[in-house]
Parts: sequence; structure tokens; C-alpha cells
Amino acid sequence: DAGVTQSPTHLIKTRGQQVTLRCSPKSGHDTVSWYQQALGQGPQFIFQYYEEEERQRGNFPDRFSGHQFPNYSSELNVNALLLGDSALYLCASSLAPGPEETQYFGPGTRLLVL
Amino acid sequence: GENVEQHPSTLSVQEGDSAVIKCTYSDSASNYFPWYKQELGKGPQLIIDIRSNVGEKKDQRIAVTLNKTAKHFSLHITETQPEDSAVYFCAATGNDMRFGAGTRLTVKP
Repeated sequence: DAGVTQSPTHLIKTRGQQVTLRCSPKSGHDTVSWYQQALGQGPQFIFQYYEEEERQRGNFPDRFSGHQFPNYSSELNVNALLLGDSALYLCASSLAPGPEETQYFGPGTRLLVL
Repeated sequence: GENVEQHPSTLSVQEGDSAVIKCTYSDSASNYFPWYKQELGKGPQLIIDIRSNVGEKKDQRIAVTLNKTAKHFSLHITETQPEDSAVYFCAATGNDMRFGAGTRLTVKP
């Protein structure tokens, strides 16, 4: 049973560029959440997708956007990259939407903005 | 919104000793409290969780206690082993899932 997978594992971008990160949920899961984890900190909730719609959003600017596909996989897009966007981006999947559903994390994509 | 405080930030124990990590939260409506273990270069792995209708939950060497009145919950690891060394995060759910800042646990052989 495949767990949550993410690609790429690492990425280097320069300020002002745009980036797209990808996530495939755990088998049987239809809800995907994205988190940003800065070095030495806990993950911070960005948003959650269910039925191809953004259902909930954390305190992140509009530069952060996402998409969910009919097969439940998801993308995170970040525009106009800032140095402060350097972080580990985590995808988590769950059986249903809502913050009280058990979430399973992928290995993350480490983004470095120069 | 929810605010989660986690202590200590670092914890070092001898193999075989117990380790305790404590968290407090602010949103009295929070009902779900998971604990995650994160090893270097990996994503967080769920190790145990507890919901507000339960005061304590055990899974082999790991246990979690919840005190809703005081708004705090704790992770207890008994008979620690070197492979328990990792960063542990608590979380609590209000409108979304909020994480503590993490505890780096080192188990010395």
C-alpha cells in the first residue's frame, strides 16, 4: 500500500520565480492538505483540498495556490518566490476533509530560494 | 486561533529511561490531538493520537494523556531506545491543525 508521495524531493529557485510541487495521496484517501515547515519549526497549515476545491485555508498570501485533480492528486503553486519561502513543503492526506481527520504525511519537498 | 506550546524543546535521556513531552493549547473547542515523530530528512509520522472523549491512550511503549480542563496533553515514552531519537511534534485542532514547535529527543545508548 503506497503512502503519500511527493515530487520533486529537492528544488532550487531564485527570487521572483514560480514553483509547482506535486503530491499523490495515500491509497483510498480523497483529501489533501499542504503544510510549510520552516527549519526548526513545526508545520504550518497552508490549505486543504477536497472534491477538487479549496475547502480551508491558513494564514498564507494569495501567492500560494493549489489544485486537486480528479484522481485526488494535488499541486501546490507558489508565485513570486521570496527568500522566506525556503522551507520543507509537506503534503498530508486523509480519508475525509476537516482538521480532525487523521492525516498522513509524505516525505516533503525541500525548496531553497536564492 | 489555536496556539500550541510544547516543552521541552530538547530532551536527552539514557536508554531505558522514560521521556515526557508536554503541550498546552488555547482553543477550548479543540477535540483532536495527534503526536508525530519526524526523523531527519523525512516527513512527520503519526505515532499516536487522542480525541477529547478519552483521557488516556496507550500503544505499547507510548502513551498520551489529555486534560481538557487544564488544556494540556502529554506524550510518555517508556523504556526508550536509541531509535526513538527524533523530533516529536504535538498538534491540536481548532479551525485547522496547529503544531507545537517540536521537541528534539536524544536517547543515549
